[in-house]
Amino acid sequence: GAGVSQSPSNKVTEKGKDVELRCDPISGHTALYWYRQSLGQGLEFLIYFQGNSAPDKSGLPSDRFSAERTGGSVSTLTIQRTQQEDSAVYLCASGPYSYEQYFGPGTRLTVT
Amino acid sequence: KNQVEQSPQSLIILEGKNCTLQCNYTVSPFSNLRWYKQDTGRGPVSLTIMTFSENTKSNGRYTATLDADTKQSSLHITASQLSDSASYICVVSDGYNFNKFYFGSGTKLNVKP
Repeated sequence: GAGVSQSPSNKVTEKGKDVELRCDPISGHTALYWYRQSLGQGLEFLIYFQGNSAPDKSGLPSDRFSAERTGGSVSTLTIQRTQQEDSAVYLCASGPYSYEQYFGPGTRLTVT
Repeated sequence: KNQVEQSPQSLIILEGKNCTLQCNYTVSPFSNLRWYKQDTGRGPVSLTIMTFSENTKSNGRYTATLDADTKQSSLHITASQLSDSASYICVVSDGYNFNKFYFGSGTKLNVKP
C-alpha cells in the first residue's frame, strides 16, 4: 500500500517568509511524528500526535513552529518568519501504535 | 541524560566484505531498540527491532545484537553490496513513554566496488 508522503520534496524560501510542510500519513495510522534532521545530525523530535489526544509539542524549538493534524489524518508543519538555522530535512513518520514508525521521504528546507 | 551514541561516524568497505556498526545507549529504562537504514534523500526504513529480552535479530544479511546489561547494540552486515551504502541509525525508545525516541547520529557506510 501507499507509504507516508510529504510535500513539497524541496522548498527554498527567503529568510523571514513563512512555510508550510505537509505530511500524508498511512491510512489508519493514529500516531504521527515530525522530526528535523540537520546535516550530519541525528533526528530531532518536534511534535507528536496520537488520535484525538492533545499533541506533545515539547520538541518545538520556538513559537515560530506550529503543527496541526486535521481529521486525524493529514498534518501540516508551519514555520513562521523562517531563519537560516531552520534549514534542514523535515521528516514525518506515522504508525499504527505510538512505538511503531514509518517514515516519509522528508522535505528539504533551505532558507536563503 | 538519555543518549544514543554510534560508532564509527563513517566507514568505507569493499563490496563483499563484512562490517559491524556499534551503538551505545544510556536510555533507561528502554522499551525497544531499532536499527534503521536511511538512503540519501529518503526517510529511514526499519531493519530490525529488539526488545530488552532479545539479544539477536536477523533480517537477511543484517544481524543486530543487543546486550541490555552493557547497553550496547551492534549491526553486522554480511557480504556487503553496493546498495548497502547508506546511513544506519540506532534508535532507542523510552521505557516510560512509548512515543519518546532517542536517535543516534548514524554511521555513514560507503561500499565501494
